[in-house]
Amino acid sequence: DGGITQSPKYLFRKEGQNVTLSCEQNLNHDAMYWYRQDPGQGLRLIYYSQIVNDFQKGDIAEGYSVSREKKESFPLTVTSAQKNPTAFYLCASTPSDRYLYGYTFGSGTRLTVV
Amino acid sequence: DQQVKQNSPSLSVQEGRISILNCDYTNSMFDYFLWYKKYPAEGPTFLISISSIKDKNEDGRFTVFLNKSAKHLSLHIVPSQPGDSAVYFCAASGGSNYKLTFGKGTLLTVNP
Repeated sequence: DGGITQSPKYLFRKEGQNVTLSCEQNLNHDAMYWYRQDPGQGLRLIYYSQIVNDFQKGDIAEGYSVSREKKESFPLTVTSAQKNPTAFYLCASTPSDRYLYGYTFGSGTRLTVV
Repeated sequence: DQQVKQNSPSLSVQEGRISILNCDYTNSMFDYFLWYKKYPAEGPTFLISISSIKDKNEDGRFTVFLNKSAKHLSLHIVPSQPGDSAVYFCAASGGSNYKLTFGKGTLLTVNP
């Protein structure tokens, strides 16, 4: 079955450490996105990429970095510069014809700083 | 600057009645609107969408209405079922970058 796989489902990070969240899709979608969800805040866009080797900052990119070396992969690194990284992180993807196929989301990664 | 607004944080309805969830937007570039259903610690599930060339789209018990002049859309669920209880997000996109902008969500509770 085609879909988006996020791993791990739960992740614990110590203060001052970088951590990388994985997002892989086998839908052959062109665009991929990272969102963060906090209680009462809805989903906020961190980074997005429309093609390989290109990505743009979203609304809350500070303290995060991404890469898009392959079409199917869009990993997110939460750096030590991110002041409040504890949140639920969601990856999504969409094909060129988003009107027909919409956006597909992964099941999320819960990151907790300990 | 919140471009997509869901002004009701919560809504409670009786089973079998209609649920109406509302959403307002400010960006005139938005041309595609979606509704998602979400449970805690899970990814959002797509429900229904509408493009700006339409004013209504139906899919089973779900209907989305779009009023472009008012920059307002609504999701109607008829009849409401207890399994519909979840957080519902309105989202919009437009222009060439395809990014989705979400509202803060409305918690729907359908009481048996």
